[in-house]
Amino acid sequence: GESVGLHLPTLSVQEGDNSIINCAYSNSASDYFIWYKQESGKGPQFIIDIRSNMDKRQGQRVTVLLNKTVKHLSLQIAATQPGDSAVYFCAENRDSWGKLQFGAGTQVVVTP
Amino acid sequence: DTGVSQDPRHKITKRGQNVTFRCDPISEHNRLYWYRQTLGQGPEFLTYFQNEAQLEKSRLLSDRFSAERPKGSFSTLEIQRTEQGDSAMYLCASSPWNQRSNNEQFFGPGTRLTVL
Repeated sequence: GESVGLHLPTLSVQEGDNSIINCAYSNSASDYFIWYKQESGKGPQFIIDIRSNMDKRQGQRVTVLLNKTVKHLSLQIAATQPGDSAVYFCAENRDSWGKLQFGAGTQVVVTP
Repeated sequence: DTGVSQDPRHKITKRGQNVTFRCDPISEHNRLYWYRQTLGQGPEFLTYFQNEAQLEKSRLLSDRFSAERPKGSFSTLEIQRTEQGDSAMYLCASSPWNQRSNNEQFFGPGTRLTVL
């Protein structure tokens, strides 16, 4: 069936290294994707988004890459910091109404 | 702090009781969404409003659940005759929604419901 999912449930990264979080989606009709960060006990926090007419978008220390050919989305975090430790979700917008379909999440653990 | 607030932050109730949660969105946002999140999972869509109109309800939203947004500002989510399976984090999000923007959704801190 259609789904949004993540390849790695836990990612351990050394402080200062770059992190890459991957996400696969199966609905080629999806046209909008968002990455959220969620810290323990808090709601998801918007990080960056990308539309399907783009391949790459950069923010502050973050880059989202979209490969529509293989239906793959990734989030790159440069110079990972302890404050980046959280669960990261990709979300998919499948229609014009803004309802989001979330994947299961990847736990990022930043080690000193 | 995204500007979306939810109350209460935590609720513990006994099975069979009714509970009501409140969400105050960012004031200029006309869309408001409710999601439910269980441990280790991503949020699942429940329902959403554009202004005061409820436009879609998920199949997850049983007859025991009802949501309102009477004046197009704050919203309430009520669960009647709670069951242990209702234990979850209930998240509210709002977005400005217009055809020229990406309509990113901003989430509140959530209400953690525990049904004993």
